[in-house]
Amino acid sequence: AQTVTQSQPEMSVQEAETVTLSCTYDTSENNYYLFWYKQPPSRQMILVIRQEAYKQQNATENRFSVNFQKAAKSFSLKISDSQLGDTAMYFCAFGIIQGAQKLVFGQGTRLTINP
Amino acid sequence: DAGVIQSPRHEVTEMGQEVTLRCKPISGHNSLFWYRQTMMRGLELLIYFNNNVPIDDSGMPEDRFSAKMPNASFSTLKIQPSEPRDSAVYFCASSPSKTAHTSSNQPQHFGDGTRLSIL
Repeated sequence: AQTVTQSQPEMSVQEAETVTLSCTYDTSENNYYLFWYKQPPSRQMILVIRQEAYKQQNATENRFSVNFQKAAKSFSLKISDSQLGDTAMYFCAFGIIQGAQKLVFGQGTRLTINP
Repeated sequence: DAGVIQSPRHEVTEMGQEVTLRCKPISGHNSLFWYRQTMMRGLELLIYFNNNVPIDDSGMPEDRFSAKMPNASFSTLKIQPSEPRDSAVYFCASSPSKTAHTSSNQPQHFGDGTRLSIL
């Protein structure tokens, strides 16, 4: 069974700072996908960024980037130049393909960006 | 382009009552997922369907929970009888399945969730 661990229940930084959210996972699979989802107070689940395990290059999406360390089973999210709108719960998720993409989520990190 | 549509947005009912949550996936998506989110347990996958067929229902907590997908554009999650511990936010998500013509890394798209409160 796959597990996803987010060891930081809460984090808080000042606007414009850079923040890194950590995520580790455990699996015996070799081909899988990793995702970061954002859940603002509006409750929507919004995809932030995704990474295929077979790709060595770290994914980036504007101010969001990941540090994917496959051997260490680590998948951290870096938010540069943080903005007030980044305040949300962030969930790391692991996905495998079994006919459909089944996701296992971490417990989440509550990130607050202070003005 | 409409996203995943869930109804109702909020539901408050008394314990013992039947509750039905509804979901319309994104057109063309043939995988559908039901999740439950609570403070204690986080996001849990309850069941998922591929091409309207239930693939894995190991996350369904009890026989009081049932889910159906009668066609590609509609799914229901039913709780009967409901209990206070069922109070949670229930999310539906959909994604394309991997085929010879689609990418296997298409993410799941989530609905806005149903906040269920059982009194």
